[in-house]
Amino acid sequence: NFMLTQPHSVSESPGKTVTISCTRSSGSIASNYVQWYQRRPGSAPTTVIYNDNQRPSGVPDRFSGSIDSSSNSASLIISGLKTEDEADYYCHSYDNTNQVFGGGTKLTVL
Amino acid sequence: QVQLQESGPGLVKPSETLSLTCAVSGGSVSSGTYYWTWIRQPPGKGLEWIGNIYYSGSTNYNPSLKSRLTISVDTSKNHFSLKLSSVTAADTAVYYCARDALTMIDRWGQGTLVTVSS
Repeated sequence: NFMLTQPHSVSESPGKTVTISCTRSSGSIASNYVQWYQRRPGSAPTTVIYNDNQRPSGVPDRFSGSIDSSSNSASLIISGLKTEDEADYYCHSYDNTNQVFGGGTKLTVL
Repeated sequence: QVQLQESGPGLVKPSETLSLTCAVSGGSVSSGTYYWTWIRQPPGKGLEWIGNIYYSGSTNYNPSLKSRLTISVDTSKNHFSLKLSSVTAADTAVYYCARDALTMIDRWGQGTLVTVSS
């Protein structure tokens, strides 16, 4: 089994750009797609990035994703931060038949 | 628009079996395009993938839960179910059912809190 490690929390000001990392403990980050989910308090999660860097319809292009094989990590980049982006963000990936979520990152926009 | 709704007891005693059902509306669990999934979130912790099932009955389970877990699907009732045996306080969580489109989990239920306590 592998783990996905995220920072516990990040904070940034409105209008700025923030990057949330997700590091895979074993196996290549490039071998299986990474998804990112946003969860606001009291609501079910929604997808903001799938297949490493694809946005579902309705997700603004302020959200982008990337992977870096050298650090074996994925990143969620949110630019032009808005207060509505304040939420918990989870990365998610899989290998064979098992799926794993990262521990989640609390984004504070202040 | 597909909707998923979890149902089941909100309180389960230690050592007993946790049972939840997810009713699917606006779509069919018999669709070959999706896996039907259970995910949970313990209080103050992150999301944990529990397992999934295909309409054919083929399952995939989290290795850490596999010995206690059964996921089933009932195509006639258009729902799928979760049974987790020998529960402890560590199984207290919000349980979500979800639809996995293989590229992403694209539909989630609202979640239901299950507390394990005597």
